Amino acid sequence: GQQLNQSPQSMFIQEGEDVSMNCTSSSIFNTWLWYKQEPGEGPVLLIALYKAGELTSNGRLTAQFGITRKDSFLNISASIPSDVGIYFCAGQEETSGSRLTFGEGTQLTVNP
Amino acid sequence: NAGVTQTPKFRILKIGQSMTLQCTQDMNHNYMYWYRQDPGMGLKLIYYSVGAGITDKGEVPNGYNVSRSTTEDFPLRLELAAPSQTSVYFCASRDRGLTTNEKLFFGSGTQLSVL
Repeated sequence: GQQLNQSPQSMFIQEGEDVSMNCTSSSIFNTWLWYKQEPGEGPVLLIALYKAGELTSNGRLTAQFGITRKDSFLNISASIPSDVGIYFCAGQEETSGSRLTFGEGTQLTVNP
Repeated sequence: NAGVTQTPKFRILKIGQSMTLQCTQDMNHNYMYWYRQDPGMGLKLIYYSVGAGITDKGEVPNGYNVSRSTTEDFPLRLELAAPSQTSVYFCASRDRGLTTNEKLFFGSGTQLSVL
């Protein structure tokens, strides 16, 4: 089945630093989503992207839908301790109907 | 607002036992999903439903069964629990429409251990 490669798997950064993570797929997606999961909770949507090249921000978070439609990027600026969690990308293929494919997640740790 | 409610929160099963993970949503959503999340991994789709009376297999359906007799409820059944089914299970729901994936709401998960 479809696979999403998300990197890096984990990041350890200092408070105030910027963070970048990305996802790549082997096929074309028409939707890219970025979620954050905190311990003991389900994922919560951060940003949704629908068009190739689209750049969308949500506070200190910015995500982009790659031009090739096979990748997406998430940036977090000026990180703070509450940014800690697991960040997942998810995508929907044109032919998958109502099904999303999730990446394996990036575990983010922010040291004060 | 209740949203998506999963029960139980935690469960320990012996090999071969059966159980049902409950999921209910009060948002009148047509689409409901069951995912499992293994340590250090993303979410894998087990089963999904696009409406009452309709269910379809996802990526990893073996060892599970589902039913969708009402819009609100989407229980997941494990008939003969195996250690490979130790995981965190998430139920999710969303409204109808191909462009509404951003409105996918997740429950808080069920931590299942099979020993």
